[in-house]
Amino acid sequence: DAKTTQPNSMESNEEEPVHLPCNHSTISGTDYIHWYRQLPSQGPEYVIHGLTSNVNNRMASLAIAEDRKSSTLILHRATLRDAAVYYCILKQAGTALIFGKGTTLSVSS
Amino acid sequence: DTEVTQTPKHLVMGMTNKKSLKCEQHMGHRAMYWYKQKAKKPPELMFVYSYEKLSINESVPSRFSPECPNSSLLNLHLHALQPEDSALYLCASSRTLAARTDTQYFGPGTRLTVL
Repeated sequence: DAKTTQPNSMESNEEEPVHLPCNHSTISGTDYIHWYRQLPSQGPEYVIHGLTSNVNNRMASLAIAEDRKSSTLILHRATLRDAAVYYCILKQAGTALIFGKGTTLSVSS
Repeated sequence: DTEVTQTPKHLVMGMTNKKSLKCEQHMGHRAMYWYKQKAKKPPELMFVYSYEKLSINESVPSRFSPECPNSSLLNLHLHALQPEDSALYLCASSRTLAARTDTQYFGPGTRLTVL
């Protein structure tokens, strides 16, 4: 499985933007980049995914480097409810999600 | 309805007991998954079913026995577990296993304690 590297933890203030980085230097041309998050005492939930182009949805934006060796999840205005572990995962066809250690995001008021 | 339900929410069992965890989805998904998550660790994949057939077994000990009776239901049968098997057991489903774009939907998990 292609590996991803994320910082162990990050901190943010409420209502400020948050940029969560992910390195995936061994990504293959067909891997999709998925982001999931896990709030305390809940199962993981889908955030966003992309292949090459930047992507936006109601939860977040995903910025993908031109060489695809890194990506950044952008939360435009962090709220206390965004405090969670964020996982960056490379998804290949025929495989399940394989979780790395993720980034624990803390949000302060 | 994008919900995956898991029962029970909590389970305490002895090392000689036999118990089962249940997972259900009604989204028409044909891939279903079991993950195990220890405290402060990421979820670890255990089993994957695709079209009711076991597709992936991540070398899980035989005291864990999965079953997929139909496309909506996934069970995990537990027998002779060890205290180190205490964890949160997560079920997930997705439209298919094949597509790289399919989203996995997770249930809230069953918190298992083995005494």
